[in-house]
Amino acid sequence: DQQVKQNSPSLSVQEGRISILNCDYTNSMFDYFLWYKKYPAEGPTFLISISSIKDKNEDGRFTVFLNKSAKHLSLHIVPSQPGDSAVYFCAASDLNFGNEKLTFGTGTRLTIIP
Amino acid sequence: DAGVIQSPRHEVTEMGQEVTLRCKPISGHNSLFWYRQTMMRGLELLIYFNNNVPIDDSGMPEDRFSAKMPNASFSTLKIQPSEPRDSAVYFCASSRRNEKLFFGSGTQLSVL
Repeated sequence: DQQVKQNSPSLSVQEGRISILNCDYTNSMFDYFLWYKKYPAEGPTFLISISSIKDKNEDGRFTVFLNKSAKHLSLHIVPSQPGDSAVYFCAASDLNFGNEKLTFGTGTRLTIIP
Repeated sequence: DAGVIQSPRHEVTEMGQEVTLRCKPISGHNSLFWYRQTMMRGLELLIYFNNNVPIDDSGMPEDRFSAKMPNASFSTLKIQPSEPRDSAVYFCASSRRNEKLFFGSGTQLSVL
């Protein structure tokens, strides 16, 4: 039972264009959401997060949008760069447990085409 | 800071053998997590510890899996006996309470 779903296993985007990665969740108790980025042979690293009291959080080229009614979040990368090629994991938690129990999606492999 | 250190990086073993994965969390972090990555299920939480005490092991797939944290700087994940379906990448992560997770580089386990 996947509570966090990333339905696109892969995505290819031209360098300089916008990359949009999507994530859906089913557990209405989730109230804190994160994106992690993973390069081959490395562990995931934290990228950006958003609390359910917001609908948008921006950090440089990265913006995360949250639509609570649709139980949907997305990560926008603009402009996309070759170094952004990686696997991106969406994660969610119930703040009653703090950040301690993160539920991850299956990941989306992003390839930026030069 | 050296980050979260996992060993070994790669482990190849035969079905039925015991496998032990090791993790050294970041100094000062009081939460430690073991995750397993597979293509089908992504990153699954197996177990996590707070202050060396196991808090939630509901993700441990079977009794063949066990984890210990004898002190604040060391944890092990053991599989006995191992099976081919256990083949995956196993990640250890640590954090301060209620802060973001820092992951190790993972152990690629292959059970033949």
